[in-house]
Amino acid sequence: GAVVSQHPSRVICKSGTSVKIECRSLDFQATTMFWYRQFPKKSLMLMATSNEGSKATYEQGVEKDKFLINHASLTLSTLTVTSAHPEDSSFYICSASSRGQGNQPQHFGDGTRLSIL
Amino acid sequence: AQKITQTQPGMFVQEKEAVTLDCTYDTSDQSYGLFWYKQPSSGEMIFLIYQGSYDEQNATEGRYSLNFQKARKSANLVISASQLGDSAMYFCAMGPPSGNTGKLIFGQGTTLQVKP
Repeated sequence: GAVVSQHPSRVICKSGTSVKIECRSLDFQATTMFWYRQFPKKSLMLMATSNEGSKATYEQGVEKDKFLINHASLTLSTLTVTSAHPEDSSFYICSASSRGQGNQPQHFGDGTRLSIL
Repeated sequence: AQKITQTQPGMFVQEKEAVTLDCTYDTSDQSYGLFWYKQPSSGEMIFLIYQGSYDEQNATEGRYSLNFQKARKSANLVISASQLGDSAMYFCAMGPPSGNTGKLIFGQGTTLQVKP
């Protein structure tokens, strides 16, 4: 149980394109979803926390207008990288959370490798 | 503020031997959880083990055990009988206790390489 699906797993696109990444909780309702960014060989950096039906809370230094997060339902959150540029290339991981999900506070998707040419 | 520190950027271990990955933490919370995740080169985050701050016994999950020393604020991961498939990046994290939601704070990570 507690499966989180993240799509796409890899995307390559031209500079200036907007890219949407989906994060779905398949077998539970996620009251909270988290979005992380990870550079090679580095730790996960929390970008934002989103609660269903409300605006996302962004971490300090994360551009809200660059990284648009929508959590429209209890099973789906999306991250849109707007007007992406090469410096936005990174590995993005989502996680989903719900009370009572055992010892794991968050269940992670498999990540999306974003490459901007 | 909460903080997790992993001081070993890289570790080597011979296959079939045990290895300890270090993790220290800092928090003013009384109730918290400590977690270890494995991240292979493919990128997915694999949950390994959980230790609650009020748990008196060290957590164990198969070949993984957590050496929890609360007074020293350390939560080291011990992997016994290392296998080639254990080669990956390992993250220590701190977050809410069992059954609760909340942020995870991750350490810098340790890259483990298992030698045949």
